[in-house]
Amino acid sequence: QQQVKQSPQSLIVQKGGISIINCAYENTAFDYFPWYQQFPGKGPALLIAIRPDVSEKKEGRFTISFNKSAKQFSLHIMDSQPGDSATYFCAASKEADKLIFGTGTRLQVFP
Amino acid sequence: DGGITQSPKYLFRKEGQNVTLSCEQNLNHDAMYWYRQDPGQGLRLIYYSQIVNDFQKGDIAEGYSVSREKKESFPLTVTSAQKNPTAFYLCASVRDRASNQPQHFGDGTRLSIL
Repeated sequence: QQQVKQSPQSLIVQKGGISIINCAYENTAFDYFPWYQQFPGKGPALLIAIRPDVSEKKEGRFTISFNKSAKQFSLHIMDSQPGDSATYFCAASKEADKLIFGTGTRLQVFP
Repeated sequence: DGGITQSPKYLFRKEGQNVTLSCEQNLNHDAMYWYRQDPGQGLRLIYYSQIVNDFQKGDIAEGYSVSREKKESFPLTVTSAQKNPTAFYLCASVRDRASNQPQHFGDGTRLSIL
């Protein structure tokens, strides 16, 4: 019940296209859902985060969609750029508890 | 600039040897974390500490040890009992667990077996 399932494992997108990464969780007590971006040889950096009282949050080209009833949330990257090529992790936590991470999605954006 | 510094960037361990990975933060954060990252497995929590002189085991603590003698420092020792230590190790911190703020990560240490 503590797992966060992430898909796909890898994703190839043409420049200008939309990248979509999905995550699903079981624990309904989770109340914080961040997305992290990681470049090779670097630590993850927070990209965007959402709480379950909203269904969507947008920051620039990055949008989180949240479906509480389905226990799913997704990251959409609009107008994908080669500089977006990285590994993306979703995560979830309950109140102030530790983060549970998904297994990651390697995104490659080709020009 | 405030941040988390992990050292060394690369580390090699011989059989039967203990090695210590350094993590220092100047963010004045109370809580600190150690994760292990393996390909295709995401980040798994090794140990975490909410306050000086206190720490708890995470999901994969066997073969590892930590200390938290200072607020700024949370070193991780990979002992000889850890039979598969080859991985990318990440340290993170957060202001305090009650704030539910995002975790800030260092740039990691890559540990390999000689």
